[in-house]
Amino acid sequence: QQPVQSPQAVILREGEDAVINCSSSKALYSVHWYRQKHGEAPVFLMILLKGGEQKGHEKISASFNEKKQQSSLYLTASQLSYSGTYFCGTDQTGANNLFFGTGTRLTVIP
Amino acid sequence: EAGVAQSPRYKIIEKRQSVAFWCNPISGHATLYWYQQILGQGPKLLIQFQNNGVVDDSQLPKDRFSAERLKGVDSTLKIQPAKLEDSAVYLCASSPRGNTEAFFGQGTRLTVV
Repeated sequence: QQPVQSPQAVILREGEDAVINCSSSKALYSVHWYRQKHGEAPVFLMILLKGGEQKGHEKISASFNEKKQQSSLYLTASQLSYSGTYFCGTDQTGANNLFFGTGTRLTVIP
Repeated sequence: EAGVAQSPRYKIIEKRQSVAFWCNPISGHATLYWYQQILGQGPKLLIQFQNNGVVDDSQLPKDRFSAERLKGVDSTLKIQPAKLEDSAVYLCASSPRGNTEAFFGQGTRLTVV
């Protein structure tokens, strides 16, 4: 039931773009995205509900393809502060009991 | 607004010993979660409370792990007896209602030797 994330790791230079993918084998009610910096707690980025909605948050946006059970996180014009591990969490029931992926480690260098 | 409080921050115990973690969620948040995060992995949900009732504990190893949320506010998670594979960060999170963002505490790093 754990979603699969890709890539596992990516290194960007400041200003470059990145896409992180999350795929589930189960029908999903929603997808949640979090970022976790080393030694810190995960921090919420956004929720996408079934219906194929796309959301944006400054230069970070995401989409959810309900039919394919896939979500993608888009980071544009990356900043040093974007570095961290990104997790998608999938909710199959609407009760917010999430299954988290193994994470994508993003490193932004000057 | 105060965040999710957890204690202790760090704990080292020997295998077969017992340990307890405490969590105080954000005031007014009805839903409380305990996650286990093993190094290099994503958080794994152990138990979810809605007020003082259990919503999901399907991934909680009930032979050794227990959790309670008395009066629907703070919560404790206990491991008895601990195994080496229990070494992980235990994260507590809370949310105001279902399907909204969860706010995580700093976690308790448990090392079992």
